[in-house]
Amino acid sequence: DVKVTQSSRYLVKRTGEKVFLECVQDMDHENMFWYRQDPGLGLRLIYFSYDVKMKEKGDIPEGYSVSREKKERFSLILESASTNQTSMYLCASSLSHWGLVSRGTEAFFGQGTRLTVV
Amino acid sequence: GIQVEQSPPDLILQEGANSTLRCNFSDSVNNLQWFHQNPWGQLINLFYIPSGTKQNGRLSATTVATERYSLLYISSSQTTDSGVYFCAVDQKTSYDKVIFGPGTSLSVIP
Repeated sequence: DVKVTQSSRYLVKRTGEKVFLECVQDMDHENMFWYRQDPGLGLRLIYFSYDVKMKEKGDIPEGYSVSREKKERFSLILESASTNQTSMYLCASSLSHWGLVSRGTEAFFGQGTRLTVV
Repeated sequence: GIQVEQSPPDLILQEGANSTLRCNFSDSVNNLQWFHQNPWGQLINLFYIPSGTKQNGRLSATTVATERYSLLYISSSQTTDSGVYFCAVDQKTSYDKVIFGPGTSLSVIP
């Protein structure tokens, strides 16, 4: 079974702190994603990565950066946490569809990290 | 970019009733998935269904890619079916960018 693991289930940080959210997948997936989920706004894509050291901005990248030094790990970084970044953060991974046509590209999610910035 | 719509936004069912959730998308996609978000926030994969019909117990899904919609059927609903149902599409671009619909919030009452 695919496993996507996020480092923390709950996290409380202070305004201005640098925050690292870690995500690890064990299925050699090329793609990894970070979303945030807020009431009434659904899941919004922050950043995604389609290969090691490669990243693309999603719909709401402001205030965030990412790092993908190894294929299995994708980190979300809040350089200076603010209260409006209090949210549920969800990481996902999937195979790339650029390859064997028969491969499925189903995305799998971690358990989520509820981040509170005070 | 691609737009994903889901209807209805909210649904209340009596236990045992059937329901149909709909997902419309505005452009061609590589794949489509249905998820159920449980009370703890985790997204559970229900179906990976870029086209055709699949069934899993009381749930089934149909995607008509040429007409850009997908349907999720829930039969004989149970209180444990409550939660938010999302469809997500992987749009046909250079990258596998997965975009979510706004979700349908389902409440099944005894």
